[in-house]
Amino acid sequence: GAVVSQHPSRVICKSGTSVKIECRSLDFQATTMFWYRQFPKQSLMLMATSNEGSKATYEQGVEKDKFLINHASLTLSTLTVTSAHPEDSSFYICSAREWGGGAADTQYFGPGTRLTVL
Amino acid sequence: KQEVTQIPAALSVPEGENLVLNCSFTDSAIYNLQWFRQDPGKGLTSLLLIQSSQREQTSGRLNASLDKSSGRSTLYIAASQPGDSATYLCAVRTGSSASKIIFGSGTRLSIRP
Repeated sequence: GAVVSQHPSRVICKSGTSVKIECRSLDFQATTMFWYRQFPKQSLMLMATSNEGSKATYEQGVEKDKFLINHASLTLSTLTVTSAHPEDSSFYICSAREWGGGAADTQYFGPGTRLTVL
Repeated sequence: KQEVTQIPAALSVPEGENLVLNCSFTDSAIYNLQWFRQDPGKGLTSLLLIQSSQREQTSGRLNASLDKSSGRSTLYIAASQPGDSATYLCAVRTGSSASKIIFGSGTRLSIRP
């Protein structure tokens, strides 16, 4: 099946720094990628949807200036957490939808990135 | 706004028992429903996907049902094993152009040897 990778798998940073997380679709082209956040013992919450070559659509309550999303190619999307603070510590999971559109398309999930802000 | 709820939040049963996990959603206009497994600190593993036109899917000891009109789905696990211990998430695909996947809160399952 299709594979989505994330890098890094784990990152620890100091408060105030920026962190970039990469999401790649390894063997298919993804017109749309999704970013989720998961706090401990909670479910995944959709943060934003990005389409290749256009601006991301953010869910209500998600600060677009804090969580910068770039989807520059059909196989790569990046999430940059700017000026990270301890409350941004979470598990970030990306998902990629294969080219073609439609309800029958499958969405593949990455393995997640654990961000810890000290 | 679509909301997905899972009951119970946590479940502990002895090995060998059959069990049922429940999922409910508020808007029946879904494209599909998917059950995932998540081990601690790990990503998601897709277990079963049911299209809106289907009523159930089976894979090994797992059986998932869907009653779209009532907004409910169940995941049946037969002959549970300690290796089944994980968090189980249900998720519905919804929105315009089937653009979003909304997750439930999950059920943390523990199988006692």
